[in-house]
Amino acid sequence: SQKIEQNSEALNIQEGKTATLTCNYTNYSPAYLQWYRQDPGRGPVFLLLIRENEKEKRKERLKVTFDTTLKQSLFHITASQPADSATYLCARGTGRRALTFGSGTRLQVQP
Amino acid sequence: NAGVMQNPRHLVRRRGQEARLRCSPMKGHSHVYWYRQLPEEGLKFMVYLQKENIIDESGMPKERFSAEFPKEGPSILRIQQVVRGDSAAYFCASSPADNYEQYFGPGTRLTVT
Repeated sequence: SQKIEQNSEALNIQEGKTATLTCNYTNYSPAYLQWYRQDPGRGPVFLLLIRENEKEKRKERLKVTFDTTLKQSLFHITASQPADSATYLCARGTGRRALTFGSGTRLQVQP
Repeated sequence: NAGVMQNPRHLVRRRGQEARLRCSPMKGHSHVYWYRQLPEEGLKFMVYLQKENIIDESGMPKERFSAEFPKEGPSILRIQQVVRGDSAAYFCASSPADNYEQYFGPGTRLTVT
């Protein structure tokens, strides 16, 4: 089966630093990967989508990469702020649009 | 543009009752997805629908669960004869026809007593 693996341990960083979250997938490369943010008690919020043929995508302080050799996506938040504290979810797309989510990595940015 | 709306936000049912969860997609979105999130677990895909059609129900339990997205009105996720294990947050998402980005609603938290 196609799996998405994210580091289940929380990531704690200091304000102003760059946060880097890892997402690994198994089997064949998905057509695209998506990253979402989820706050406690709320629905996920879409952040970025990166396609298989794209190496890197940016949006404001966010950057995502897609390495098909390593079967890995990295998600970066530069100049992190306490407001960035949340759980970040990686998801792989299937040919039929359903998303397979990882369990998420909780990010805590200390002021 | 209003986001994805779900109601009710919280639903309490006794074992054996039926639960009906509603989802109104974002305006202009023709694709609807339902996901379930159990406590301390990740989001699990259940079903993907377009207007009047179920496209992918590979994540839907074979019994007691059904979903529809009628021509008019919201999408409905129906759980018959609920059991305690059905207690979870159920999220609906929608996307436009030409885009794979999914926009989630606030979820319905179902508690079965």
